[in-house]
Amino acid sequence: DAGVIQSPRHEVTEMGQEVTLRCKPISGHDYLFWYRQTMMRGLELLIYFNNNVPIDDSGMPEDRFSAKMPNASFSTLKIQPSEPRDSAVYFCASRGQGSLEAFFGQGTRLTVV
Amino acid sequence: AQTVTQSQPEMSVQEAETVTLSCTYDTSESNYYLFWYKQPPSRQMILVIRQEAYKQQNATENRFSVNFQKAAKSFSLKISDSQLGDTAMYFCAFSDLQGGSEKLVFGKGTKLTVNP
Repeated sequence: DAGVIQSPRHEVTEMGQEVTLRCKPISGHDYLFWYRQTMMRGLELLIYFNNNVPIDDSGMPEDRFSAKMPNASFSTLKIQPSEPRDSAVYFCASRGQGSLEAFFGQGTRLTVV
Repeated sequence: AQTVTQSQPEMSVQEAETVTLSCTYDTSESNYYLFWYKQPPSRQMILVIRQEAYKQQNATENRFSVNFQKAAKSFSLKISDSQLGDTAMYFCAFSDLQGGSEKLVFGKGTKLTVNP
């Protein structure tokens, strides 16, 4: 398996624009997580899905953030409109049912100018 | 809410020497899981080692071992025979799978530099 695949790896956008981050989890994994990493706050969980259903979105900072998982092999994290304070590295991770190990993608570095 | 604290923002060690990274956590749960993740400059998060709280024996993975002190809520990582490739950010993480929460809670990380 190629692991968790995220795209794009880097994104630079202007304030106010819509940004969509994409994630393909490892095949067969039931859980999918979106994390955000910043210098100030470290790694924070934004939302996670189980079997494509959002379970906990309490970490989503504002209504500007939304996440979907239309099927078991694809998820998106959307920011609309984007703001400079959204600049961070966004990680997607997946985990199999009954497994303790979460596998992370290589992250998307988002810069909002 | 669970919290994870890594009190050493940065550390350095000479190649071939041993270094210990500290981690403490706070929880009211009795059964949980603890992890150390490594993040090299490539940004990839890599699981180094994990410990189940119900196991008294400390986990070991090659040069990496932990000192798990459940009563003290301490979970330190020892790296023996440090190598240049060990240079990375190291994150301690907690998961309370038995409590119905699937998420990992991370510490702020320790930046480890291995010097030649």
